[in-house]
Amino acid sequence: AQSVTQLDSQVPVFEEAPVELRCNYSSSVSVYLFWYVQYPNQGLQLLLKYLSGSTLVKGINGFEAEFNKSQTSFHLRKPSVHISDTAEYFCAVSEGRDDKIIFGKGTRLHILP
Amino acid sequence: DAGVTQSPTHLIKTRGQQVTLRCSPKSGHDTVSWYQQALGQGPQFIFQYYEEEERQRGNFPDRFSGHQFPNYSSELNVNALLLGDSALYLCASSLRVTAYNEQFFGPGTRLTVL
Repeated sequence: AQSVTQLDSQVPVFEEAPVELRCNYSSSVSVYLFWYVQYPNQGLQLLLKYLSGSTLVKGINGFEAEFNKSQTSFHLRKPSVHISDTAEYFCAVSEGRDDKIIFGKGTRLHILP
Repeated sequence: DAGVTQSPTHLIKTRGQQVTLRCSPKSGHDTVSWYQQALGQGPQFIFQYYEEEERQRGNFPDRFSGHQFPNYSSELNVNALLLGDSALYLCASSLRVTAYNEQFFGPGTRLTVL
């Protein structure tokens, strides 16, 4: 069965500093991987997705993630964060079109002034 | 282009009551999925509807049921409410022919069970 582990429940980082949010997954087959962002009192918005091909995926708002099959990881990175990046970030996995999406428990990104 | 809409925004019920939540998918989408997001947790898949039928179901009891209408909108019904049903209920829509099942989420309905 699929599962997603987000290793940090909260990550504090100073404004304009780089950040990495960690995500590991388990699955017995090829997967599609996603990062979603949830701003306070809002639904989820897709940041980026890995479907196949290049292991480095670029998304919206300057975020990128790298798929590492051998380590079953899909860490999210941003070189310089802004106060507006304050949100909850969810890593998710799906085994395909006919499969449900499994979410991690989320990482709260807290930007320090 | 309207995105996914959900109603109501907030709802307060008491234990044992029944509730119906509603979702209108993004224009052009034909598949609706429902998720429960408890406080401090990630969304958990409840079920998915396509062509007015339940296609997949997560690990939720039969108290949770749904429906999809010919216009692709959907309802989530929860019977015999428990305190533990208090959560944010998210609806997501997608287009089934899309290979990777990209889902677009609505803002959610916050259900509080007292």
